[in-house]
Amino acid sequence: DAGITQSPRHKVTETGTPVTLRCHQTENHRYMYWYRQDPGHGLRLIHYSYGVKDTDKGEVSDGYSVSRSKTEDFLLTLESATSSQTSVYFCAISALRQPPTYEQYFGPGTRLTVT
Amino acid sequence: AQSVTQLDSQVPVFEEAPVELRCNYSSSVSVYLFWYVQYPNQGLQLLLKYLSGSTLVKGINGFEAEFNKSQTSFHLRKPSVHISDTAEYFCAVSEMNTGFQKLVFGTGTRLLVSP
Repeated sequence: DAGITQSPRHKVTETGTPVTLRCHQTENHRYMYWYRQDPGHGLRLIHYSYGVKDTDKGEVSDGYSVSRSKTEDFLLTLESATSSQTSVYFCAISALRQPPTYEQYFGPGTRLTVT
Repeated sequence: AQSVTQLDSQVPVFEEAPVELRCNYSSSVSVYLFWYVQYPNQGLQLLLKYLSGSTLVKGINGFEAEFNKSQTSFHLRKPSVHISDTAEYFCAVSEMNTGFQKLVFGTGTRLLVSP
């Protein structure tokens, strides 16, 4: 177990409301990622972080923002949730090692339903 | 940019039979290749990876995969499956670099093992 927790694990919210998902790691890994998983699409990268306060956009970043004020926490915010953001959200982490291992470790996921 | 194609969305197989899950990728640069497994209601777990060296790589739970550069394929195989192998399997690629990793996933193949 890679020491990654996500909260909440399940959430139902209404269209137009803000939502924040939290990813917490105990591994002190440098890199953190947010993915969404949808049928027929696999996992798609939303945002990623390569250090505290260092974040960048992924493939499907529209409608999402992130923040990382501490190494262990990576927050994903939906400023105004839409039904198209109904999905399962996964956080992942990876370490900077020498030699590199190129492994990502995934959290248990958050199932978000926007009604 | 990279892309991954998993042609089979679902593969039914009987217990103790062999199985092959197909993965083809497209990239203009050299890549690393990965197979992840997702058991029901869980996050993803790394099965195996190809970084360099021998093109036949062995992973956990008796799985192996062969990298074929000329065919840009990385098919996953197991000689004899168990009921417990029922899960979704994702092939992924990452551009070669020295640390940070952006994974591009295929759409997944659901392996259904029946008695």
